[in-house]
Parts: sequence; C-alpha cells; structure tokens
Amino acid sequence: KNQVEQSPQSLIILEGKNCTLQCNYTVSPFSNLRWYKQDTGRGPVSLTIMTFSENTKSNGRYTATLDADTKQSSLHITASQLSDSASYICVVTGTGANNLFFGTGTRLTVIP
Amino acid sequence: DAGITQSPRHKVTETGTPVTLRCHQTENHRYMYWYRQDPGHGLRLIHYSYGVKDTDKGEVSDGYSVSRSKTEDFLLTLESATSSQTSVYFCAISGGSGATTYEQYFGPGTRLTVT
Repeated sequence: KNQVEQSPQSLIILEGKNCTLQCNYTVSPFSNLRWYKQDTGRGPVSLTIMTFSENTKSNGRYTATLDADTKQSSLHITASQLSDSASYICVVTGTGANNLFFGTGTRLTVIP
Repeated sequence: DAGITQSPRHKVTETGTPVTLRCHQTENHRYMYWYRQDPGHGLRLIHYSYGVKDTDKGEVSDGYSVSRSKTEDFLLTLESATSSQTSVYFCAISGGSGATTYEQYFGPGTRLTVT
C-alpha cells in the first residue's frame, strides 16, 4: 500500500534553533518528493521538489534530503524564526498527474 | 497563491442542501484538483481534471461531482450536503511549462460547515 508517514506529529523549538522533520514513504513507482509549508488558514506552498536522482535541495534556510534507496526524506530548518511556525507536509508522487500521496504533516511551533 | 482564487472562502449550510464551490485560475494550467483536508488526515483527492470537460475521480469522490467547462474554472458540487462533508476544501493546479511542470499550486481554501 502506498503510504507517506511523517514524524514527529508536532514539535516545539526555541527561536534560533535548528530542527529536522522526517518523511518515510512506501510509494512505488516513485516520481518525485515535495515538501510544502502550510500556514494556518492558508493553502500549502511548495518549499522543495526532488526527483529520484537528487539527494539534496536547499531553499534558503530549508534543506531537504532524499534517500531513494531507503525511501526516506528529511527537511532541515536552520536558525528557526517565528514565521517558520506552520505545518510541513511531505508529498510523494507516483506516476500520473493524480498519483500524489500526502503525509499528515508535522506541526512546528517556534517560540521566542 | 499563484493566480488561484476560491469562492466562497467560508460557507455554512444545512444538511441536504446543494453546495457549489468554485476554483478559478489565471495561469492556464492544464490540471486542476479538488482536495479536502481534515484533522488527522493528509490532503485527500476528491476529483481532478486533465482538460476541459475531462475529469476523473479521486480517493474520496462519493457525494461530490465536478465540472470544467473552461480551462480557468473548476467547480465542485455537493449534491446534498452531509455533516461528514464539513471540511476545508483546497483547489490546486499543475501542468505549467518547463521546470514548473511537476509543481502543484494550491488555492487559499474554502471552509465549509454543514450543520
């Protein structure tokens, strides 16, 4: 069964600290993996997208890694800011435009 | 929100009434999607469209219908709303050219409450 599991479900960190969010998947065949940030009351916004051949991609303070062999991805946030408080969603795409599998997200809270 | 609007943004309706949600895009993307988002669940696909008048069912399509008569508009209809359809509904688009082909852009969402 194609699944995407994220951990932890929620996380609280102090402003300025780093954190890492995890995503494990069983989707096959695999096309790409995306990380989205969703602020409360807003739609998800893409942070990174990685294909099979990419194992790391950065977007400012966000760095995503992908290990296609172990089917694991992580999102590392450096020097967190209050504005990083949001849900982070991992999405794995199989083949076809409708073949997307969503994780339930990690709720990150950054406190001063 | 990448040229995607949803209307209405909030709606409260009674059980048994029909409801139509509208998604409008100005990006000329080929694919359009309707998702629902509920606590404890990831985004779940209701229906999607791969062109004008071309639609298909997603994971949770029961109780929903869609129509796409123009590239820019994708309508989601709840024929007879039920309390289990209380949710936040997101429209998304994809199918841009070049490097953005895989990218999926989401609208701001519609919060629907069925009482």
